[in-house]
Amino acid sequence: QSVLTQPPSVSGAPGQRVTISCTGSSSNIGAGYDVHWYQQLPGTAPKLLIYGNTNRPSGVPDRFSGSKSGTSASLAISGLQAEDEADYYCQSYDSSLSGYVFGTGTKVTVL
Amino acid sequence: EVQLVESGGGLIQPGGSLRLSCAASGFTVSSNYMSWVRQAPGKGLEWVSVIYSGGSTHYVDSVKGRFTISRDNSNNTLYLQMNSLRAEDTAVYYCARVNSGIYRFDYWGQGTLVTVSS
Repeated sequence: QSVLTQPPSVSGAPGQRVTISCTGSSSNIGAGYDVHWYQQLPGTAPKLLIYGNTNRPSGVPDRFSGSKSGTSASLAISGLQAEDEADYYCQSYDSSLSGYVFGTGTKVTVL
Repeated sequence: EVQLVESGGGLIQPGGSLRLSCAASGFTVSSNYMSWVRQAPGKGLEWVSVIYSGGSTHYVDSVKGRFTISRDNSNNTLYLQMNSLRAEDTAVYYCARVNSGIYRFDYWGQGTLVTVSS
């Protein structure tokens, strides 16, 4: 039950900037719960990319940045590189479900 | 170093049962929030269940009454007992540690595949 909506795909040329939106509601993002982002390379487990809306774990390049406003959040990838080709998921907590929710996922393609 | 290793997946007939295990190292399972997340073939991530450090549990609606999350403190292992399995439960199941502060999944296992088919 994906209650966070993301675009199915985004694409860009190497070096370009792309953004991925994550739209929620008043029971999750809009209720003030943090948004986190994960990168999933083909055939591997998801990896935490951005936590607490804007923070990068150690080792994540500063080309990746996050933001949050109202009931939505965004992930931006600047200076797009071939190795950024992956699926990206947002995640938050939902008080009405008393559980965790993931976005529908976005496939990033480097042209 | 934090490590999570799942096991127990396989091919099971509809209506059958399976128990998944997640062996943890580098931290104490009982002191943390632990969760199961699944991914059906070619689909997105779906949160399945969580067990909090205090012992309370929560499930996604689609598995309530069929799945049970638990932990073994002596073995530092997380479990997912899955009963009355359906074709739609077919997925890779990941265990993950949940950061208790802001509800992020900070460490993930490699996943174990469960296939429900006759």
